[in-house]
Amino acid sequence: GQQLNQSPQSMFIQEGEDVSMNCTSSSIFNTWLWYKQDPGEGPVLLIALYKAGELTSNGRLTAQFGITRKDSFLNISASIPSDVGIYFCAGNRDDKIIFGKGTRLHILP
Amino acid sequence: DTGVSQDPRHKITKRGQNVTFRCDPISEHNRLYWYRQTLGQGPEFLTYFQNEAQLEKSRLLSDRFSAERPKGSFSTLEIQRTEQGDSAMYLCASSDDTNEKLFFGSGTQLSVL
Repeated sequence: GQQLNQSPQSMFIQEGEDVSMNCTSSSIFNTWLWYKQDPGEGPVLLIALYKAGELTSNGRLTAQFGITRKDSFLNISASIPSDVGIYFCAGNRDDKIIFGKGTRLHILP
Repeated sequence: DTGVSQDPRHKITKRGQNVTFRCDPISEHNRLYWYRQTLGQGPEFLTYFQNEAQLEKSRLLSDRFSAERPKGSFSTLEIQRTEQGDSAMYLCASSDDTNEKLFFGSGTQLSVL
């Protein structure tokens, strides 16, 4: 079963707002990955994190690998309509990449 | 485009029929993964290959499921005697030997009637 806990499950925000979501686990991971999935499509890789404490940006996205290696967060600044979708965190351990259940982002008009 | 390619995109079948899906990974990637995703859930690991060797299988992969990667390039996932509970999106992903990033295909959406 899933071993990564993502929160919140869903978010409703206004366009232009900043977004923050996180992922926690009781286990240590070697790599943290953040993906975005649109309906009917496969997940698309947004950011990869390789070292504890690492902070990485990709445009308006910023993600951090927690110091304990058991958590990660993703921030989106100045949200736009195309940010709508499901965001998944994933952790790599023992050659297996395990996914959380996702955070569904809705943007109100 | 040299991303991960999956075929077909959609498959509708009757319960009890066999289905086969194909995945073509990114050409220089040695590792190939199959995941299953149901509504409201994240992708769940099924199995993975290092070149042609199948190195791990999840307990989710019942004996009705079989995956192959005969020449270490494309892979097939076959489901025999399909059941309604098999309805899901089947995702294929590939990575290089560092296994630090997975790149996914668009998936095959299976509906078992």
